[in-house]
Amino acid sequence: GAVVSQHPSRVICKSGTSVKIECRSLDFQATTMFWYRQFPKQSLMLMATSNEGSKATYEQGVEKDKFLINHASLTLSTLTVTSAHPEDSSFYICSARPGVSGNTIYFGEGSWLTVV
Amino acid sequence: SQKIEQNSEALNIQEGKTATLTCNYTNYSPAYLQWYRQDPGRGPVFLLLIRENEKEKRKERLKVTFDTTLKQSLFHITASQPADSATYLCALDLTGDTPLVFGKGTRLSVIA
Repeated sequence: GAVVSQHPSRVICKSGTSVKIECRSLDFQATTMFWYRQFPKQSLMLMATSNEGSKATYEQGVEKDKFLINHASLTLSTLTVTSAHPEDSSFYICSARPGVSGNTIYFGEGSWLTVV
Repeated sequence: SQKIEQNSEALNIQEGKTATLTCNYTNYSPAYLQWYRQDPGRGPVFLLLIRENEKEKRKERLKVTFDTTLKQSLFHITASQPADSATYLCALDLTGDTPLVFGKGTRLSVIA
């Protein structure tokens, strides 16, 4: 079945540095990918919708200059956490689906970010 | 305001019993409703999708109902097993290429 691959699965970085997380759809093209953030025992919180070839759409309260999203191809979206701080430590998950509403959405395995 | 609620944050049941999880929503008109399973530290995994014109959907030990009048979906796991212990998320699938709207999830624990 369709698979979404996310990399890295875990990353530790120093405060003030930037971290890039990649999300790839392995056997389908995704014009749209979604980025979520999840704190322990909390629900998935949608951060932004990544659109291939255009600017991402950010949810209210999400800083676009801090969380840079680039959807350079139909199979790859990247999330860069810039100038990371300890409060950015979280579980970041991407998702994508072949086609539109009514199709299964596939999630990546998630990326644990720890900022020290 | 728009809301999606899963009735229990946590649910404990005994092995072999049927687990029933509830998802209610207000001020949405989803074309589809989806259920996902999430294990700790992992991304959600798709389980079932039900369309607005379907009343019930089954897959092995799983059953989902969808009542658009009550604005409610029920998710059942029959003959539950300890391996079914996980967080289960319901999600509203609106029209177009919009993101799913997720509930907060119900953490199910099946006790042997």
